[in-house]
Amino acid sequence: DAGVTQSPTHLIKTRGQQVTLRCSPKSGHDTVSWYQQALGQGPQFIFQYYEEEERQRGNFPDRFSGHQFPNYSSELNVNALLLGDSALYLCASSLVAGTDIQYFGAGTRLSVL
Amino acid sequence: KNQVEQSPQSLIILEGKNCTLQCNYTVSPFSNLRWYKQDTGRGPVSLTIMTFSENTKSNGRYTATLDADTKQSSLHITASQLSDSASYICVVPKNRDDKIIFGKGTRLHILP
Repeated sequence: DAGVTQSPTHLIKTRGQQVTLRCSPKSGHDTVSWYQQALGQGPQFIFQYYEEEERQRGNFPDRFSGHQFPNYSSELNVNALLLGDSALYLCASSLVAGTDIQYFGAGTRLSVL
Repeated sequence: KNQVEQSPQSLIILEGKNCTLQCNYTVSPFSNLRWYKQDTGRGPVSLTIMTFSENTKSNGRYTATLDADTKQSSLHITASQLSDSASYICVVPKNRDDKIIFGKGTRLHILP
C-alpha cells in the first residue's frame, strides 16, 4: 500500500519562472492538502482539494493554484516565482478532511535562485 | 486568534534521558490535537491523535497528555534514542472548517 508520494524531490528554479509539483495520495484517500514549510518553521496551509475542487485556502496569493484529478492526485502550481517561495512543499492526504489523520509525503524541496 | 505555541524551541538531551515537550493552543472550536515527528527534510509522521475526552495516549516510548480545560498538551519521550532527533510538531485542526493550525515545532537533539 503506497503512502503519499510527491515528485520531484528537489527542484531549482529562477525568479519569475513557473513550477508544478505533483502529489499522489495514500490509497483510499480522497482529500489532498498542500503546505509550505520554510526552514525552521512549521508547515503553513496553502489549500485543500476534495472532489476536484478547492475547499479551503490559507493566506497565499493567487500565484499559488492547484488542481485535483479524478484519481485524487493533485498538482500545486506556483507562478512568477519569488525568492521567498523557496521552501519544502508538503502534500498530505486524508479520507475525511479536518478530523481524520493526515498522512504526509516526503515533500518537494524548491529552491528559487 | 487561533494559535498553537510550542516550547521549548529547541532541546538537547543525552541518549537515555527523558524529556517533555509542551504545546499550548487557542484554537476554537477544538476538534483534536495531534503530535507529529518530522525528520530533517522529510514529511511529518503522526505519533498520536487525541480528542477532547482523552487525557493520555501512548505510542511506544511517546506519551501525549491533553488538558482541554487549560488548552495544554505535552509529549513525553522516555529513554530517548538517537533516532528521536527530529522536530516535533503540535497540530490542532479547527473544528468545522477544516483549517489545520501547526505549531512551529520543537527541535530535539539527542546526543550520544
